[in-house]
Amino acid sequence: QKEVEQNSGPLSVPEGAIASLNCTYSDRGSQSFFWYRQYSGKSPELIMSIYSNGDKEDGRFTAQLNKASQYVSLLIRDSQPSDSATYLCAVNTNRDDKIIFGKGTRLHILP
Amino acid sequence: GAVVSQHPSRVICKSGTSVKIECRSLDFQATTMFWYRQFPKQSLMLMATSNEGSKATYEQGVEKDKFLINHASLTLSTLTVTSAHPEDSSFYICSARTSDEQFFGPGTRLTVL
Repeated sequence: QKEVEQNSGPLSVPEGAIASLNCTYSDRGSQSFFWYRQYSGKSPELIMSIYSNGDKEDGRFTAQLNKASQYVSLLIRDSQPSDSATYLCAVNTNRDDKIIFGKGTRLHILP
Repeated sequence: GAVVSQHPSRVICKSGTSVKIECRSLDFQATTMFWYRQFPKQSLMLMATSNEGSKATYEQGVEKDKFLINHASLTLSTLTVTSAHPEDSSFYICSARTSDEQFFGPGTRLTVL
C-alpha cells in the first residue's frame, strides 16, 4: 500500500462549483497533514496545514481531517479557473518524521 | 510562509560539464533540506535529504557521486550535477523544513545539450 494516495485525475469542475480533493494515508500514527498547490512549470506552494480532526477553513479553502478513517480532503469553494493546478497531499509520518507526498490530483476548472 | 530561494532559476549547459544549484532558506534556519527532481507531467521525486553538517541521505537509485550535495550552513544547501548528460535535464526543486512544515524553492530548470 502506498503511503499517501491520491486520485491522479484530471478532476474537472465547473467554475463557481465546489472542488473536492481527497487523500488517504497508511501510517495511522501520522500527526500533520498538508495540501500543496503546484501550477504547471512551477514548484509546489503550501496552502493548508491541518493537525487535528475536523475542518479548518482559510478563505475559499477548507481542509478536512478524519484520523480514524485515515482520510484528508481539501474543498475549494467558488472554484475559479486560476485554481486549475495539481494539488499534492502530504503527510508527516510518525515513523521517521518525514513528510511524504502523494503524486497529486490534477484539477481543471471549466470556465 | 517561510521563504526558500533557489539559484539559478534556469541553466543550459553542455554535456559533460558540472552545474551547481544553490538553495537558501531566507527567513529561517533549516536543519533539513531536501532535493527533488521532476520530469514533465510527472510527480515529484525525492532525490536526497540533506542535514546540516552531515552527509546527505540519497534515495534508492540516485547516484551520490553524480549528484553532490553540500549543506554547509543552516541556511544553505547546494546540489552539484556532475558530468551532466541530456537525460539529467529536468526541473530540480529544493525544499526546507521548519519545525513542522516544509517549503519549496522556486526550482531550477536544467537543460543539458
